[in-house]
Amino acid sequence: GDSVTQMEGPVTLSEEAFLTINCTYTATGYPSLFWYVQYPGEGLQLLLKATKADDKGSNKGFEATYRKETTSFHLEKGSVQVSDSAVYFCALTISSGSARQLTFGSGTQLTVLP
Amino acid sequence: GAVVSQHPSRVICKSGTSVKIECRSLDFQATTMFWYRQFPKQSLMLMATSNEGSKATYEQGVEKDKFLINHASLTLSTLTVTSAHPEDSSFYICSASGAGVYEQYFGPGTRLTVT
Repeated sequence: GDSVTQMEGPVTLSEEAFLTINCTYTATGYPSLFWYVQYPGEGLQLLLKATKADDKGSNKGFEATYRKETTSFHLEKGSVQVSDSAVYFCALTISSGSARQLTFGSGTQLTVLP
Repeated sequence: GAVVSQHPSRVICKSGTSVKIECRSLDFQATTMFWYRQFPKQSLMLMATSNEGSKATYEQGVEKDKFLINHASLTLSTLTVTSAHPEDSSFYICSASGAGVYEQYFGPGTRLTVT
C-alpha cells in the first residue's frame, strides 16, 4: 500500500538556522504530495503541495521539490523563525474517483529557539 | 480559501454518554468529508470517509456503531461518539473536499475528554 516515511523528530533549531525535514514515499500510482503544518491545539493547514515530478511547492519561505527518481519530497527553509515551531506532516494522495484519501507521515515536531 | 469549521472545539463528557461533533464547510460544497483521530504526538489516523447522502466508509478497526457519521448535506457532517469511554479521549479532526476542490481542507479539531 501507499506510505510516507518522515524524518523522526523532535528537531530543535536556533532562529535563522537552515531546516530540512526529509520525506520519502511509496505509492502504487502517481501521487500528489503535500506538506501540512499543525500549530499547537489546532488542526492542519496546507503549507505547500506538488502534483507532478520536478514541481516545486513553496510558501512562507518553505520549499519542497517532487523528486520522482528518489521518491522524495523534502521540506526546506533557509532561515527558520520562532513562529515556525509546529508539527509538520508530509502526505500524499492518489485520486481515485471521488475519493481523495490522504496518507500521512508520522509528523516531525520542530522547535525553534530564539 | 476554503474554510472548514468544527464545533465544539473542546468537550468534556462523562463515561457512558454520547457526544456529537459537527464539521461544516463554510464556503464550498463538501461532497466528501473525512474524519480523523489524533493521539498525542502522533499522526492522524483516518477513521472514515463520508460522501454526501451515502453511508460512511469506515477504516479497518473503527467501530461504526460506536462512531456514527452522518453527512446529510453538502455543508455538514457529524460524528457522534456513542457511549463514550476514557479511551475515546482524543483529538478529532475533520476535513472536506468538494466537486472541483481537489485538496482536503481541515477543520481546527475537537478535543474530547471522557471522564
